[in-house]
Amino acid sequence: ETGVTQSPTHLIKTRGQQVTLRCSSQSGHNTVSWYQQALGQGPQFIFQYYREEENGRGNFPPRFSGLQFPNYSSELNVNALELDDSALYLCASSLGGATEAFFGQGTRLTVV
Amino acid sequence: GESVGLHLPTLSVQEGDNSIINCAYSNSASDYFIWYKQESGKGPQFIIDIRSNMDKRQGQRVTVLLNKTVKHLSLQIAATQPGDSAVYFCAENTRGSYIPTFGRGTSLIVHP
Repeated sequence: ETGVTQSPTHLIKTRGQQVTLRCSSQSGHNTVSWYQQALGQGPQFIFQYYREEENGRGNFPPRFSGLQFPNYSSELNVNALELDDSALYLCASSLGGATEAFFGQGTRLTVV
Repeated sequence: GESVGLHLPTLSVQEGDNSIINCAYSNSASDYFIWYKQESGKGPQFIIDIRSNMDKRQGQRVTVLLNKTVKHLSLQIAATQPGDSAVYFCAENTRGSYIPTFGRGTSLIVHP
C-alpha cells in the first residue's frame, strides 16, 4: 500500500449535480496531483497542488476545481456533472519536486 | 499534438517467458520516463524510471531501454509471473515539469 487514501471508493451521481472527492496524501508529502482515467485510457492530468497552491493545470474546464489543506490532504470538486465525467479519479502524492509519485486506489465516479 | 503512445494494446505470454512492452513518444523535449503498473481496481504503481542521459536501467526482473534517436522506450520483464498481469503505462516528463503525461497502456496477460 502507498499510504495515499481516497474516499469514497465508488460514487454514483446524476447529471448536473456536484461532487467532492477526497484524498489523504502519504505522510511527509506536500504535493498532490489529480488525474482522470477513463475506461481503457491512461490517466489524464487535471491539476496539481503544492503547499496549498495550484501548481499546474491540465486541459480541464473550470468546473473542475480543487483545494489543498494545511495537512496536505486535498479535495477535487466537479460542478455541473456531465455523463463524460464518469471515470476513475486518481490522486497521487509526492514530496515537492520529487519525480516518484504514489497513487491512491482511486474513486470510481459514475454519472447517470 | 505531442503524445505518448503504445504499440500493442494487449500482450499475452506464458509464465516464465520474458515480456517486452513498447512505447513510442513524440515530444523531443521529454527527458524523464516512467513505467507504471496498474492492477485491476488499483492506482498505478511505480516500476522503474529512466532519464534521457541514460539508455538502459535495470531493476529487479525489469529493464527499461531508451532509444532517443527513434523516440522509443521499452520495458522488459524477465521470467514473467502471473502476478505481473496488469496494464502497463509509460509516462513522460518534459524538462522542468513534474507532471507526467501517460500513454494509453498495454494489457499484459500471463498464462500459467
